[in-house]
Amino acid sequence: DAGITQSPRHKVTETGTPVTLRCHQTENHRYMYWYRQDPGHGLRLIHYSYGVKDTDKGEVSDGYSVSRSKTEDFLLTLESATSSQTSVYFCAISEKDRANTGELFFGEGSRLTVL
Amino acid sequence: KQEVTQIPAALSVPEGENLVLNCSFTDSAIYNLQWFRQDPGKGLTSLLLIQSSQREQTSGRLNASLDKSSGRSTLYIAASQPGDSATYLCAVSNDYKLSFGAGTTVTVRA
Repeated sequence: DAGITQSPRHKVTETGTPVTLRCHQTENHRYMYWYRQDPGHGLRLIHYSYGVKDTDKGEVSDGYSVSRSKTEDFLLTLESATSSQTSVYFCAISEKDRANTGELFFGEGSRLTVL
Repeated sequence: KQEVTQIPAALSVPEGENLVLNCSFTDSAIYNLQWFRQDPGKGLTSLLLIQSSQREQTSGRLNASLDKSSGRSTLYIAASQPGDSATYLCAVSNDYKLSFGAGTTVTVRA
């Protein structure tokens, strides 16, 4: 199994509070991704990173920011959580270059509930 | 925008029957296609990765085919077992991102 750890695995928070989810990998893979999974929408890309301090937006990036200061860590921050951000968040990693995502490996997910 | 469709949304079969799961996509300019398995409350596990230049990929009881020109992939699972019960998702790669289908939820009855 790919060494991907997400934390926290479960979190309940209130509307308007900031939340940070952490993804830690031990594989030294260059590419890291944050997805959210919602019923009826499937998996949607929020942000991705193609190297330390190199990040870009996905299709549902509004209200989210990311940072990658080390190869092994990719942080997802909800600046001011809203109920629409209640979801399961997945981190994924890939070893291939940007033009070909290659095989993706996923973490176990972080379930976030915003009240 | 790439659209990925998986039909049927759910499937129930008796143990031992072969499974056929379908995935279709609208933009044939893909780099690769991946099949994943997801168990309830868990992350996604990669099953098979087919590069755009390949026609099929096999792993054990699993076989996936790819027809890029028609925008289709099929995942075959031979001699299904109750442990195969899960949701199966396909994803296609265009440039840096994967576009996912909604998945097919499979139940294998003992």
